[in-house]
Amino acid sequence: RKEVEQDPGPFNVPEGATVAFNCTYSNSASQSFFWYRQDCRKEPKLLMSVYSSGNEDGRFTAQLNRASQYISLLIRDSKLSDSATYLCVVNVPSSKRFGAGTRLTVKP
Amino acid sequence: DTGVSQNPRHKITKRGQNVTFRCDPISEHNRLYWYRQTLGQGPEFLTYFQNEAQLEKSRLLSDRFSAERPKGSFSTLEIQRTEQGDSAMYLCASSLARPPTDTQYFGPGTRLTVL
Repeated sequence: RKEVEQDPGPFNVPEGATVAFNCTYSNSASQSFFWYRQDCRKEPKLLMSVYSSGNEDGRFTAQLNRASQYISLLIRDSKLSDSATYLCVVNVPSSKRFGAGTRLTVKP
Repeated sequence: DTGVSQNPRHKITKRGQNVTFRCDPISEHNRLYWYRQTLGQGPEFLTYFQNEAQLEKSRLLSDRFSAERPKGSFSTLEIQRTEQGDSAMYLCASSLARPPTDTQYFGPGTRLTVL
């Protein structure tokens, strides 16, 4: 079993749609969690950290469920510019583990 | 530009040659990470430094790979006797470790092609 698993995707949605991604992790010692965004042939860029209480940043909402060991990302009112691969990142002691990513394409 | 920089951006080499990549982190960051990414996969952790100390190495890092961060600033990643399977994007990231979070900022990567 991979340490971090994500929805396989790809997700193809129309503009304005709401889309949700899930990510599960296996290491119960995981300390912190992030969502990164990666555009084609570019480096990953931090989208948002994920806090236990859940957090929101504009159209993006992230949630963490430690008991079930998963995190989620919700994107509301999708824009064409949201098209990218979304990477789930889990901090384990002294290291980081990335999921394989979920590809999102937002279409007009 | 005060972000993470990596050089070269692209490297094409023949199998069996040695290559060296350089990463310059954000200046005040004390942690530096190396990752490898292949098409369709997320970045795979290779190794990381806190200041000049190399604190963890992945099992993925064979004996042909070595990384250094001699003065706790820039880092180099060397691959000896390259193989075609080494072809990938090599990403460097840096962070200012503040428990419990450790937000990493990535450089643009070095794309290695081994012929």
